[in-house]
Amino acid sequence: GENVEQHPSTLSVQEGDSAVIKCTYSDSASNYFPWYKQELGKGPQLIIDIRSNVGEKKDQRIAVTLNKTAKHFSLHITETQPEDSAVYFCAANFYTGGFKTIFGAGTRLFVKA
Amino acid sequence: DSGVTQTPKHLITATGQRVTLRCSPRSGDLSVYWYQQSLDQGLQFLIHYYNGEERAKGNILERFSAQQFPDLHSELNLSSLELGDSALYFCASSVVADNEQFFGPGTRLTVL
Repeated sequence: GENVEQHPSTLSVQEGDSAVIKCTYSDSASNYFPWYKQELGKGPQLIIDIRSNVGEKKDQRIAVTLNKTAKHFSLHITETQPEDSAVYFCAANFYTGGFKTIFGAGTRLFVKA
Repeated sequence: DSGVTQTPKHLITATGQRVTLRCSPRSGDLSVYWYQQSLDQGLQFLIHYYNGEERAKGNILERFSAQQFPDLHSELNLSSLELGDSALYFCASSVVADNEQFFGPGTRLTVL
């Protein structure tokens, strides 16, 4: 079936430290793996995405790595800041004639000043 | 502002009732997606429309239905409402499928 697992569910770090969130996906995922950030009272917003022909992608303090063999991908946030505090979701697209986007359960990140 | 609009922002209704949630995608986006987010829960995929046609369905209840109109706006209809249907409902749009989705601000549905 279509499944995305995400860990940890909660992550607390000190400002300036790094944060890592990991996701695994089931067999039938397609080639697109986005990460979304959701702040309180708002809709999710894409922060970075990766396609399966790429192993790693960076955008300033944020990076994503993808291991297609192991079926897992990770989000890395370096030099965390209090404004990084939010809920982060990984997702994977599954093609079934159209695209289903299946989200992980989310990670609540707290960055302590 | 993502460019995706959803109305209404809040909706309070009673069990057994029927409601309609409306979504206007970003200009030029042909794909519309609907998601349900219950309290402290993740985002559950409901349905995907592309240019007026249903393309993919998630675990959407039979009491729920959706459509995308020729002007590309979409509506999600929820009927015979139950307490458990109380949730945030998000609409998202994208230029093409398998690409970044832009989420609206959501409609908070409360069923009493």
